[in-house]
Amino acid sequence: AQTVTQSQPEMSVQEAETVTLSCTYDTSESDYYLFWYKQPPSRQMILVIRQEAYKQQNATENRFSVNFQKAAKSFSLKISDSQLGDAAMYFCAYRRSTSYGKLTFGQGTILTVHP
Amino acid sequence: NAGVMQNPRHLVRRRGQEARLRCSPMKGHSHVYWYRQLPEEGLKFMVYLQKENIIDESGMPKERFSAEFPKEGPSILRIQQVVRGDSAAYFCASSLPRTSGGQETQYFGPGTRLLVL
Repeated sequence: AQTVTQSQPEMSVQEAETVTLSCTYDTSESDYYLFWYKQPPSRQMILVIRQEAYKQQNATENRFSVNFQKAAKSFSLKISDSQLGDAAMYFCAYRRSTSYGKLTFGQGTILTVHP
Repeated sequence: NAGVMQNPRHLVRRRGQEARLRCSPMKGHSHVYWYRQLPEEGLKFMVYLQKENIIDESGMPKERFSAEFPKEGPSILRIQQVVRGDSAAYFCASSLPRTSGGQETQYFGPGTRLLVL
């Protein structure tokens, strides 16, 4: 079974600085998708970024980028120029590349942004 | 294009009552997923449905829980004879059909917070 591990229960960053959230996963599949979701205090789940495993290029969405290391099964999220609105719980998630697929989530990392 | 809609947003039930949670997927989405988030935990998959079909219910408890996605209307997650341990946030997500090429991304609703007294 696939597992997703986020080893950092909490992280903090100063406003305008850069922070990296870690995620590792375990799978025997060669093709799959990886996601980062953000859950602010409202508890709405918001998609931040996604990565297809067959793509070598790391995904980027404005201030958010990932470092995808397929051999190491690592998928970290870098947030540049952190803003107060980035404060939230961040979840890493995995999905098999089949005709459908449930998401397997990590335990989450609480990010605090200090002004 | 409206996002995934869930109602009610908050639901309070006493032990032994039934809870009905509704989810309307995004327009054009025919795949619906239900997840449960217990306090201080990540989301856990419960069930995956397409119109009129349950595709994968491997994460749903065998007793008291059921789900449907009728041809017309929202998807319903039903919990019978609720217990305190059912208190959680229940999230619905939807995605496009595979043929549309965007099937890999699930978009989440705002969740229903169920509190069992």
